[in-house]
Amino acid sequence: LAKTTQPISMDSYEGQEVNITCSHNNIATNDYITWYQQFPSQGPRFIIQGYKTKVTNEVASLFIPADRKSSTLSLPRVSLSDTAVYYCLVYNQGGKLIFGQGTELSVKP
Amino acid sequence: ETGVTQTPRHLVMGMTNKKSLKCEQHLGHNAMYWYKQSAKKPLELMFVYNFKEQTENNSVPSRFSPECPNSSHLFLHLHTLQPEDSALYLCASSQMGGVNTEAFFGQGTRLTVV
Repeated sequence: LAKTTQPISMDSYEGQEVNITCSHNNIATNDYITWYQQFPSQGPRFIIQGYKTKVTNEVASLFIPADRKSSTLSLPRVSLSDTAVYYCLVYNQGGKLIFGQGTELSVKP
Repeated sequence: ETGVTQTPRHLVMGMTNKKSLKCEQHLGHNAMYWYKQSAKKPLELMFVYNFKEQTENNSVPSRFSPECPNSSHLFLHLHTLQPEDSALYLCASSQMGGVNTEAFFGQGTRLTVV
């Protein structure tokens, strides 16, 4: 299983763009990169998934360089309600979901 | 509403009690998971069921006993627990082998062992 490394915490202010980078140096050819968001005392919620280049949905963008050894989750114009823990996962279609430490994002007014 | 329902939402039990946590999904998924999350810690994978067969037991103590009678239901039977077992227990489901590997989580059961 590819191990992921991401910052433990980040601070931001409302209206700013937030970029959270995740390292996954030993990602395998058939691995996908997925990000989840978790609020306190709730289950994680899927945000976005990608394999290469750039993926965008109504919530976020995911940037993956050509070597796929890292990825960046971009949250445009964050609000107070985006304060949560963000997890980067790397796994394949038959793999199990292993969560790392995650990044605790704090958005301030 | 994620399509994954866990009951009860809160549970307080003594160390000699026996209780069960229930998880139900109506998403047509073939894989279900149990996770444990202690305070301020990441999720720890406990068990994985794929097509009702247990494919993962992540060195979980025998006082936790999973049961998957069909692909829509998952139970976690608890007996003689310890105070350090107090945590948020999360159930999830996904479609293994498909293109979309998104996992859906329930709201969790907040367990307190006294």
